[in-house]
Amino acid sequence: DAGVTQSPTHLIKTRGQQVTLRCSPKSGHDTVSWYQQALGQGPQFIFQYYEEEERQRGNFPDRFSGHQFPNYSSELNVNALLLGDSALYLCASSLAGFQETQYFGPGTRLLVL
Amino acid sequence: RKEVEQDPGPFNVPEGATVAFNCTYSNSASQSFFWYRQDCRKEPKLLMSVYSSGNEDGRFTAQLNRASQYISLLIRDSKLSDSATYLCVVNLGNYGQNFVFGPGTRLSVLP
Repeated sequence: DAGVTQSPTHLIKTRGQQVTLRCSPKSGHDTVSWYQQALGQGPQFIFQYYEEEERQRGNFPDRFSGHQFPNYSSELNVNALLLGDSALYLCASSLAGFQETQYFGPGTRLLVL
Repeated sequence: RKEVEQDPGPFNVPEGATVAFNCTYSNSASQSFFWYRQDCRKEPKLLMSVYSSGNEDGRFTAQLNRASQYISLLIRDSKLSDSATYLCVVNLGNYGQNFVFGPGTRLSVLP
């Protein structure tokens, strides 16, 4: 039973560039949430996708956008990268009706230079 | 005031010690509460949910006081393998989820 997978594991970008991060949920899960974790901080909720729509959103600018595909996998896109976007980006999956039990992927570590 | 605050840490304790972590939250409408554990450079993993009646899982005991908006985690007989960052988590959403994580408290259990 595959757990949550994310790609790539590491990424280096420069300011102003755009990045796309990918997540495949745990088998049987249909809900995907994205978090940003800066060094020394707890994860911050970006948004949640269910049935290919953004269902909840945290306090992040419109530069952060996402998508969920029919197979429940998801992408996080960040435009116009800033140095402050450097962080670990975590994807978590859960099953609708059981959203409180979420499983995290290993994350993508993004460095913006 | 931050939505979820935790003891700043780090906590350095000897093996076998009992250690307690405290957490406070600001939103009285918070729906559910959790403790997560995060090892260095790894993803967070659910340690336990927290209920008003209190709950225990082996050496771990979690308590919730809704009136004081306070959550605690007690670890008894600490092991070297308990060394990690402990994250207090509050779910603000009653539809879907809106998990708010605290900054975490780092624990080092020393031999």
